[in-house]
Amino acid sequence: GNSVTQMEGPVTLSEEAFLTINCTYTATGYPSLFWYVQYPGEGLQLLLKATKADDKGSNKGFEATYRKETTSFHLEKGSVQVSDSAVYFCALSDQTGANNLFFGTGTRLTVIP
Amino acid sequence: KAGVTQTPRYLIKTRGQQVTLSCSPISGHRSVSWYQQTPGQGLQFLFEYFSETQRNKGNFPGRFSGRQFSNSRSEMNVSTLELGDSALYLCASSLGGSGLNEKLFFGSGTQLSVL
Repeated sequence: GNSVTQMEGPVTLSEEAFLTINCTYTATGYPSLFWYVQYPGEGLQLLLKATKADDKGSNKGFEATYRKETTSFHLEKGSVQVSDSAVYFCALSDQTGANNLFFGTGTRLTVIP
Repeated sequence: KAGVTQTPRYLIKTRGQQVTLSCSPISGHRSVSWYQQTPGQGLQFLFEYFSETQRNKGNFPGRFSGRQFSNSRSEMNVSTLELGDSALYLCASSLGGSGLNEKLFFGSGTQLSVL
């Protein structure tokens, strides 16, 4: 079946530190991979996505590369800001339905000044 | 452009009751999906509606149902509420075309507490 395993949180970093949030997946076929972010009091927002192996998704300084050989999609940012404090969710969609996403459990990131 | 609107924002019910949640998608979006978010299980897909028809369904009991109206607004209903149904219920809309990997736009959710 399909599943996503995400790095346990919470993660606390100082401003300008390097961020990595690990995400690995199990899926049949060739899933698409996503990172969603949930800011306090708001709904989830798509941060970035990758639809095939070796694709790199990027947005707002965040990057993630679709690694089929390691079934991973780790999220990285070179220099985090206080405004990046949020919960980050890794997700995959199989090829049976675009809106049936399988989510990881989420990783809460807190960035301190 | 208005975002996805979910009402009510908070609900408190007792076991055995039923509840109806509402979702208004972004204008022009024809697909509406529902997710349940709990601390223990995370985010789980409930179902998706497109053009008033259920297009996909997750692994939830029949007590969870939904519908979509001709204006794409959607409601989900939970009957015979159980304590374990306490959760944040999120609605997401998208254009709903036949292509995959559509961007989903999420509402802020309805927080349901079952006492």
